[in-house]
Amino acid sequence: DADVTQTPRNRITKTGKRIMLECSQTKGHDRMYWYRQDPGLGLRLIYYSFDVKDINKGEISDGYSVSRQAQAKFSLSLESAIPNQTALYFCATSDLGVGSNEQFFGPGTRLTVL
Amino acid sequence: AQSVAQPEDQVNVAEGNPLTVKCTYSVSGNPYLFWYVQYPNRGLQFLLKYITGDNLVKGSYGFEAEFNKSQTSFHLKKPSALVSDSALYFCAVREFSGTYKYIFGTGTRLKVLA
Repeated sequence: DADVTQTPRNRITKTGKRIMLECSQTKGHDRMYWYRQDPGLGLRLIYYSFDVKDINKGEISDGYSVSRQAQAKFSLSLESAIPNQTALYFCATSDLGVGSNEQFFGPGTRLTVL
Repeated sequence: AQSVAQPEDQVNVAEGNPLTVKCTYSVSGNPYLFWYVQYPNRGLQFLLKYITGDNLVKGSYGFEAEFNKSQTSFHLKKPSALVSDSALYFCAVREFSGTYKYIFGTGTRLKVLA
């Protein structure tokens, strides 16, 4: 969905490096999420934020941190990357409104940690 | 804990035949259920959702899903499959515990054979 953008789209890095993945949205949604996708495991929630002052850990937050710089921006950092963080990472947004429950996903960032 | 299961890793169907992709869920309270599709090198796209009302929900690209409360299922269906329907399909449930997190199944790869 072009309304949710992620940079970079692909990244290869080495063990121990600090990496930041960025997400921007023009949908005006308050809620933003970071997921990682691994084959056979589906999508697993890393962190989520319901507004600029609200940050919450998901099911697999260890080794990751996030920053919600503005309503439209939500970045994910790997403080010291390790090979098992090699995965496809997705940012998503959703609205607060009743009935507006579906999520909108960015195109993903493919991260490889060597 | 709330959960979603997609029992089939892959479903093969001939073009023109009906297709079904299975999903079962476990939630406390009323579920909000979703189907998403992921095409290669793309983010997830919303297909349809069940919030309340009619058990048969119609969505994008001719897909529909049937909510069955007694069987705790939300199977995705299409009367006549197209080769272009080949993709990875995810079922998701929205947790209604005050945190409004989404829980995804592990995904089912649909292959439509010409």
